[in-house]
Amino acid sequence: EIVMTQSPATLSVSPGERATLSCRASQSVSSNLAWYQQKPGQAPRLLIYGASTRATGIPARFSGSGSGTEFTLTISSLQSEDFAVYYCQQYNNWPQTFGQGTKLEIK
Amino acid sequence: EVQLVESGGGLVQPGRSLRLSCTASGFTFGDYAMSWVRQAPGKGLEWVGFIRSKAYGGTTEYAASVKGRFTISRDDSKSIAYLQMNSLKTEDTAVYYCAKYSGSYYYFDYWGQGTLVTVSS
Repeated sequence: EIVMTQSPATLSVSPGERATLSCRASQSVSSNLAWYQQKPGQAPRLLIYGASTRATGIPARFSGSGSGTEFTLTISSLQSEDFAVYYCQQYNNWPQTFGQGTKLEIK
Repeated sequence: EVQLVESGGGLVQPGRSLRLSCTASGFTFGDYAMSWVRQAPGKGLEWVGFIRSKAYGGTTEYAASVKGRFTISRDDSKSIAYLQMNSLKTEDTAVYYCAKYSGSYYYFDYWGQGTLVTVSS
């Protein structure tokens, strides 16, 4: 099973600043990586797939990069609605696995 | 508009069974693989299993933690996916989400709102 490790566990950033979230896979997942955003009491929402392709309706301030084992989600200028928990997921191998999440909080 | 609505959650005793349903609309249900993902209280996401579309045999895959106890099925005529959970354990307590796979790869492009299953005596 591929282990996905996200860092940091919690990230404190001020509105308007840039946030950089990391996700590392225990072995290569090629570009088969997705990012999800989850707000309290809500279902996850797809942000990025294929490591760098924004899902439909996702603002351009969200961008993904990386391949192989190292991935990054960048939010260029944080808005109030972006404070949430973010999960990465690999879908290159079965079973699909998620990272443990990064909580993005207001500084 | 794609919608996924889960139902069937509730309080159940350890060792008992429960069946969850996921009613889909807004897309051609039979063309897509469907999955269940769960989230224990205050924890992260855990993939439970999925069922392929009939075009790919309608076969299933499960996480090791539920294999042999949980069964996923589908009724394409009703656009419903099911999760039959047997021999429930306290560690199965979680919000269970139904999720639709994209057509090309196995990431989740739509999620339901989730249904809470509490396993407790």
